[in-house]
Amino acid sequence: GAGVSQTPSNKVTEKGKYVELRCDPISGHTALYWYRQSLGQGPEFLIYFQGTGAADDSGLPNDRFFAVRPEGSVSTLKIQRTERGDSAVYLCASSKDRVNNEQFFGPGTRLTVL
Amino acid sequence: GESVGLHLPTLSVQEGDNSIINCAYSNSASDYFIWYKQESGKGPQFIIDIRSNMDKRQGQRVTVLLNKTVKHLSLQIAATQPGDSAVYFCAEMDSSYKLIFGSGTRLLVRP
Repeated sequence: GAGVSQTPSNKVTEKGKYVELRCDPISGHTALYWYRQSLGQGPEFLIYFQGTGAADDSGLPNDRFFAVRPEGSVSTLKIQRTERGDSAVYLCASSKDRVNNEQFFGPGTRLTVL
Repeated sequence: GESVGLHLPTLSVQEGDNSIINCAYSNSASDYFIWYKQESGKGPQFIIDIRSNMDKRQGQRVTVLLNKTVKHLSLQIAATQPGDSAVYFCAEMDSSYKLIFGSGTRLLVRP
């Protein structure tokens, strides 16, 4: 079946602008995760959804970052007033549920803030 | 485009040789560990996992070893192939089900 998909694959924006990044998890997966990966580093956790609710948002760096998953499937990561330091690859992963928690990753969205 | 792993430690091996990639993890309470492979421009891909009640697990051409005493994981790849060239990350899952990734290692396979 289809894996995790993310759109857009690349996003270039100007400092101060608002961006939305989309994640389509594997069908039937109830758990969804967002990670951020800077060049030369491993992914860093941002937020985890179980169903529609954010079960853990402890990784969001500040209140400019927000994510939603209104119907328990597609998720959108929203970044307000982007800064150059937000430039990174944003990865989404999904797992069947908390118990069957092998996480499958999407290809990521590369965000560049000029 | 840019490549993940430009500034990472690199392991260079001859095709056909065995590779060993090491990783230290941080939380002694973690009970689930995973190795991921990441190719340029792609997301991490699951290779093999191990739970803390085990010290060794084997897959196809890969073996993971876990030493809880020193909080150390290793990934062994047998008969390394050119397609194994990538960046490899270990990750631990904490009590809230999020993955904490270690620093990666770039594996280069020489033909």
